[in-house]
Amino acid sequence: QVQLVQSGSDLKKPGASVKVSCKASGYTFTSYGLNWVRQAPGQGLEWMGRIDTYTGNPTYAQGFTGRFVLSLDTSVSTSYLQISSLKAEDTAVYYCARDFSSWYVDYWGQGTLVTVSS
Amino acid sequence: EIVLTQSPATLSLSPGERATLSCRASQSISNYLAWYQQKPGQAPRLLIYDTSERATGIPARFSGSGSGTDFTLTISSLEPEDFALYYCLRRSNWPRLTFGGGTRVEIK
Repeated sequence: QVQLVQSGSDLKKPGASVKVSCKASGYTFTSYGLNWVRQAPGQGLEWMGRIDTYTGNPTYAQGFTGRFVLSLDTSVSTSYLQISSLKAEDTAVYYCARDFSSWYVDYWGQGTLVTVSS
Repeated sequence: EIVLTQSPATLSLSPGERATLSCRASQSISNYLAWYQQKPGQAPRLLIYDTSERATGIPARFSGSGSGTDFTLTISSLEPEDFALYYCLRRSNWPRLTFGGGTRVEIK
């Protein structure tokens, strides 16, 4: 069965970096793009970007350029989200989600809580 | 840029009642709209896609309708497990995903 398993929660200090992983199984990894979605505490869902798992080409939403990097390791069917120069406002749950048709996402990772606090 | 506006923000109903959730698009989006359910501490779950197609394993009490700019998610008879947050979604300016602001269905 399709699964996206993300790395565990992380507590970081302001200015540090964090790398969240999303490991896929149960399907051909390079056949479906992967999206990353942020949910700040008590807030809605916000699309951060998408990585084409076939070409490795990332696309970022406005507001998620510069400090945010999407990458892949196809040998282990894993996508990564790296955030540098962390700020308190980066505190959120980060989800990966698989493309479904051209219009939606279907399977989601369980989410990774990143807390930024001194 | 397409904006999705969901209403109401909160819906207070009792188990067994009918829930009607609205998602309005800022411009016509054909029928490419999906609905998701999110429970506390969980990832969103796909309920409906292409306006009215139920995803695998989704009970028949969930239905979707609409076209153009106005879309509706209906839960025909609320079960205790249906009290949750609901989001509509559409991909625009591919590959950008646009989410509505969400509707919370709470127990009255």
